[in-house]
Amino acid sequence: NAGVTQTPKFRILKIGQSMTLQCTQDMNHNYMYWYRQDPGMGLKLIYYSVGAGITDKGEVPNGYNVSRSTTEDFPLRLELAAPSQTSVYFCASSYLDRSYEQYFGPGTRLTVT
Amino acid sequence: AQTVTQSQPEMSVQEAETVTLSCTYDTSESDYYLFWYKQPPSRQMILVIRQEAYKQQNATENRFSVNFQKAAKSFSLKISDSQLGDAAMYFCAYRSATGNTPLVFGKGTRLSVIA
Repeated sequence: NAGVTQTPKFRILKIGQSMTLQCTQDMNHNYMYWYRQDPGMGLKLIYYSVGAGITDKGEVPNGYNVSRSTTEDFPLRLELAAPSQTSVYFCASSYLDRSYEQYFGPGTRLTVT
Repeated sequence: AQTVTQSQPEMSVQEAETVTLSCTYDTSESDYYLFWYKQPPSRQMILVIRQEAYKQQNATENRFSVNFQKAAKSFSLKISDSQLGDAAMYFCAYRSATGNTPLVFGKGTRLSVIA
């Protein structure tokens, strides 16, 4: 199993541009998550999904959109990028059981200038 | 809402010594899960240890153990026989056992290991 994969690893955007961060997991996990990690901070939840076709907002959803058309994929869309969205983005997945660990992807470092 | 507090932004330990990282949390729930995650310079988030709130026995994974004090809402991580590879950011995290609630993370503790 590849686990959780994310693309791209690095990206620089200009203010106002849009992009999609890709996330795929091959573990047949129901739950998937998007987090952002700002320097010196812990992870904050942007959006999550409990299954295909179901998504919900996390703590910091403004400026982002998600979709979950398949169990495997959970892309994160940034519309009209702003400098405040400069961060490292992590995708994660887990089994349905809440006691299980979340498996994280390697992260995407995004800079908006 | 639940909160997780890590009061030590940075810690250091001599190689082969023992270090304890602190974590406190705030919740009104009785059933939940607690986790410690390690984030080395590679940025990969790695689960170190997990504790179920309904279990009184403290979790142990090789050189890593926790001191779970439910009444005090405290969940500290002890690393024994510290190794250079233990140098990383360590995050404490909380997850409710009910609903579709996600993980809530603390701000992390940066651990340095001195040879």
